Amino acid sequence: DIQMTQSPSSLSASVGDRVTITCRASQGISNSLAWYQQKPGKAPKVLLYAASRLESGVPSRFSGSGSGTDYSLTISSLQPEDFATYYCQQYYSTPYTFGQGTKLEIK
Amino acid sequence: QVQLVQSGAEMKKPGSSVKVSCKASGGSFSDYIISWVRQAPGQGPEWMGGIIPFFGTAKYAQKFQGRVTITADGATSTAYMELSSLRSEDTAVYYCARRAEGSAAEYFQHWGQGTLVTVSS
Repeated sequence: DIQMTQSPSSLSASVGDRVTITCRASQGISNSLAWYQQKPGKAPKVLLYAASRLESGVPSRFSGSGSGTDYSLTISSLQPEDFATYYCQQYYSTPYTFGQGTKLEIK
Repeated sequence: QVQLVQSGAEMKKPGSSVKVSCKASGGSFSDYIISWVRQAPGQGPEWMGGIIPFFGTAKYAQKFQGRVTITADGATSTAYMELSSLRSEDTAVYYCARRAEGSAAEYFQHWGQGTLVTVSS
C-alpha cells in the first residue's frame, strides 16, 4: 500500500495569511493526487486533482504543485471559510489512500 | 448532476453485520466505480473497496478482505456495502463516493451524505 504522510498535522493561521500543506507518498504516484477540504459533519470536498488542477468552482487562491513523491497545497490568502481539515489522496493505485489530515485553525 | 443518497444511521452489536445502501441519481450508474470510504472519529478517510456496477466485480482493500461485501443493483441504481463481524473499531461514518462524470481519474468528486455506524454492546 502507498502511505501518504501529511504535514503539519495542525496549523494556526490568520485571515489573509499564506499557508502551505505538504504530502509525501511512500512511492512515486505520477501526479495522481487530489486534495480535499472537510468541515465538521460534512463529506470531504475535492479542491484539486492531478496534483495541480483546480476543481470547477474552487477559488483560485487554492493551488497545488509537486511531482514524484512530494506534493503541496497552498492557500494564498486565507479566508474565514477556509478554516477546516485538509486531506491528500493518492489514486495512482488501489488501495487508494489518504493522508492523516491537516487541521487549519484560526490564530 | 450526480447525487448519492445513503441509508440512515445504524446501531449494531459487536459480532453482527451492517448493510449500508447508496442510491445514485443523475449521470451514468453502471459505468463508474462506486467506492466505499469510511472515516472513524478524528481520523482520516479510509478506502474500503469499490465496484463497477456494469461488471458487478468488486475490489477490496486487503484490510477488509473477507469482512466486506460490495454489491450493486443496476435496476435501482443502488450500491450496497455490507460489513460483518463488527467490532467497536468499526464505529465510523461510511461514505459512498465516485469520480466525476467523464473523468478517467479516480478521485472523488461526488460523495454521499455519510452513514454513521455505531458498534457498541
